[in-house]
Amino acid sequence: GQQLNQSPQSMFIQEGEDVSMNCTSSSIFNTWLWYKQDPGEGPVLLIALYKAGELTSNGRLTAQFGITRKDSFLNISASIPSDVGIYFCAGLGANFGNEKLTFGTGTRLTIIP
Amino acid sequence: SAVISQKPSRDICQRGTSLTIQCQVDSQVTMMFWYRQQPGQSLTLIATANQGSEATYESGFVIDKFPISRPNLTFSTLTVSNMSPEDSSIYLCSVDPLETQYFGPGTRLLVL
Repeated sequence: GQQLNQSPQSMFIQEGEDVSMNCTSSSIFNTWLWYKQDPGEGPVLLIALYKAGELTSNGRLTAQFGITRKDSFLNISASIPSDVGIYFCAGLGANFGNEKLTFGTGTRLTIIP
Repeated sequence: SAVISQKPSRDICQRGTSLTIQCQVDSQVTMMFWYRQQPGQSLTLIATANQGSEATYESGFVIDKFPISRPNLTFSTLTVSNMSPEDSSIYLCSVDPLETQYFGPGTRLLVL
């Protein structure tokens, strides 16, 4: 199925650094969602974005819904060890009744001691 | 939000056998979704399950291989039939109240 282009694929950072990742699509979406998945667990919803241009924060996390509705980014400030994991973006269809999520390819975040 | 539980959390199965995965939600939801996540990969939608109607399958997934039941608004099952090692994956259910989606913890399946 269709997937969103998510970058970078992986990141190796030191604790305390800021992190930025983004997602782009050729299609428009009505909703952008960002998830984090720890090993052996299901994805956990971090931030939901519902309007083009919207900027939303959740603690040290900030995400934006691109004005074109075809992209979104996630920033993590002052990273800590528990931020390690895989981050997925997901877009919810723009067509009425199309509630299917399209997932990004994921960004694996590793913190170097 | 919604609290979702899945059973079993993991299993090791022999090829040719079938496994039924259960998904229970703590509130009534219209739509439930089943995803597959192969090792090191992103999530791929298998099917959408609405109560009272047949599940809608995505391209590449068929009912004979992945039969789904949705007997009420809080419960669904996914069966992985006639398993092969290629079916080794994490299987996740999700629900979508209010234009977002929440996921269960997943069922980790290994087929030998």
